[in-house]
Amino acid sequence: QLQLQESGPGLVKPSETLSLTCSVSDGSISNINYCWGWIRQPPGKGLEWIGSICYSGDTYYNPSLKSRVTISVDTSKNQFSLKLNSVTAADTAIFYCARMQMGTHDYWGQGTLVTVSS
Amino acid sequence: QSALTQPASVSGSPGQSITISCTGSSSDIGGYNYVSWFQQHPGKAPKLIISEVNIRPSGVPDRFSGSKSGSTASLTISGLQAEDEADYYCSSFTNSFTYVFGTGTKVTVL
Repeated sequence: QLQLQESGPGLVKPSETLSLTCSVSDGSISNINYCWGWIRQPPGKGLEWIGSICYSGDTYYNPSLKSRVTISVDTSKNQFSLKLNSVTAADTAIFYCARMQMGTHDYWGQGTLVTVSS
Repeated sequence: QSALTQPASVSGSPGQSITISCTGSSSDIGGYNYVSWFQQHPGKAPKLIISEVNIRPSGVPDRFSGSKSGSTASLTISGLQAEDEADYYCSSFTNSFTYVFGTGTKVTVL
């Protein structure tokens, strides 16, 4: 059973860069049939799609976040990562990583809370 | 991209059927059959319950069903059960090769 696990700092200072990693187990991140994505959810609010990366290296980002987001893959570690720069309190959220195929997000990590505060 | 529009809350008694709507545009729901529905219990990650408008992943009860008409998708829960009380989100692929989620619907079992 595929498993995804987010990791990274739980606290980030305003104006700094939020960095998270998603480790994939029991499945290869290099499989050409899948893309890998990030979604966030501010406490008590709805889901927001951040972006995704496919095996080809193509990346796709939410237009509202595109100027601040970078998603990358490390196939040697079977991981993919998210960087969100110039963060503010509005970026405080639970961040989820997910596998994507056939137009959906079928496997999700458990999520990790990142708080932006000085 | 704007979030897809869902009712904030829907309620029903055990055994009843409820339907949640998800309204988008020709740029997302209306243009593609890549509509998904997710169930989220408090403190848990979202769980996929419907993909490609009306496909149930293995293990999802058949009381959950999906449909689409034009730019509006719908999730129907038949034979509502106590464990169905949760938040539900729709999602769609868009013409920008991105995805958009719905505003979310809280389902209450009376």
